[in-house]
Amino acid sequence: GAVVSQHPSWVICKSGTSVKIECRSLDFQATTMFWYRQFPKQSLMLMATSNEGSKATYEQGVEKDKFLINHASLTLSTLTVTSAHPEDSSFYICSARRGQKNTEAFFGQGTRLTVV
Amino acid sequence: DAKTTQPPSMDCAEGRAANLPCNHSTISGNEYVYWYRQIHSQGPQYIIHGLKNNETNEMASLIITEDRKSSTLILPHATLRDTAVYYCIVSVNAGKSTFGDGTTLTVKP
Repeated sequence: GAVVSQHPSWVICKSGTSVKIECRSLDFQATTMFWYRQFPKQSLMLMATSNEGSKATYEQGVEKDKFLINHASLTLSTLTVTSAHPEDSSFYICSARRGQKNTEAFFGQGTRLTVV
Repeated sequence: DAKTTQPPSMDCAEGRAANLPCNHSTISGNEYVYWYRQIHSQGPQYIIHGLKNNETNEMASLIITEDRKSSTLILPHATLRDTAVYYCIVSVNAGKSTFGDGTTLTVKP
């Protein structure tokens, strides 16, 4: 299957700092990428839809000023967690769709964020 | 996305077929059925998807009932590495998915 890569795989940061997570589609172009968050022992929750060249669309309850999303190219989307706090500690996962709406989507390996 | 219902857990003997059911009685005509699995601390892995016809690939088979209100994912010869949480998702938009709690499949030697 297609490859979606996230970087870093894990990060520890101090409270109040910002952290940037990258999501790359390595062997295909993705006009749309998606960002999810997963807390321990819970399922994935969609945070936002990232569209190349335009503003991201955020799900209800997700603060757009706290979770900045940039999709500057067809192979890269970034999620920046600004002014991180311990409650932002979570597993962040991106996915990218290879083609039209009803083709498969591929997920990155996830980024474990720990805010101390 | 239509709501899906999956059993919370299942066991399967190594080498036997694993049949994972999913109910999606409110599925609409343009929604596809997707299956993903997540091994602990990793991102979900795409397995298979379909609209109305049965599908098969190198990983699994997907059987969708004629009324499309339920489906079954079949892993033909389960191995220990197939132990994971399996998610059945119904959506018109691959990637933008509502994940339920899934089925925790444990393959036992």
